[in-house]
Amino acid sequence: EPEVTQTPSHQVTQMGQEVILRCVPISNHLYFYWYRQILGQKVEFLVSFYNNEISEKSEIFDDQFSVERPDGSNFTLKIRSTKLEDSAMYFCASRLQGASTDTQYFGPGTRLTVL
Amino acid sequence: GNSVTQMEGPVTLSEEAFLTINCTYTATGYPSLFWYVQYPGEGLQLLLKATKADDKGSNKGFEATYRKETTSFHLEKGSVQVSDSAVYFCAQLIQGAQKLVFGQGTRLTINP
Repeated sequence: EPEVTQTPSHQVTQMGQEVILRCVPISNHLYFYWYRQILGQKVEFLVSFYNNEISEKSEIFDDQFSVERPDGSNFTLKIRSTKLEDSAMYFCASRLQGASTDTQYFGPGTRLTVL
Repeated sequence: GNSVTQMEGPVTLSEEAFLTINCTYTATGYPSLFWYVQYPGEGLQLLLKATKADDKGSNKGFEATYRKETTSFHLEKGSVQVSDSAVYFCAQLIQGAQKLVFGQGTRLTINP
């Protein structure tokens, strides 16, 4: 069964450094998402991406964050200058084009630790 | 605003016990409702969903009914197994929007 994959599974970085989290969505999906979960808190929406542009973003997704689909398979989240409060589990998700009720399929997550 | 509230965890049950995890939502309009499950070390997996009032989602012995009158989507299973130990997330998808809004998650532990 096709699945969303994410790399790395765990990333440790120093405050102020740039990180890139990588995702490979399911191959025929056209909508892509990033969510995050700070330890002990809810899973929060960050951004959605369709047709090579951001379709919706949350107030969390400020100028420090960017997303890109550099080729036909990868979808990346970049944090330019990490802060301690960026430490969280980051989940990528994808879904088929179609009704908005179509299921979002999630990857296993990347745990980001900012020291 | 739109939000989802789940019962506080953790929940610990014995094998073959009856399970209920409560979920209520607030929404403008008529959202679709979901239960996702996260097994240890894995990502979020869709467990079941319901897209309109009175729909019942079911999968792997779990069920949940979309109740518009009580704005609820409680998860139930008649006889839990050790392998059901996981974190369960209730979520809504707002009509016309892209994002899922999640509850805080409920950690379930089933003892043999």
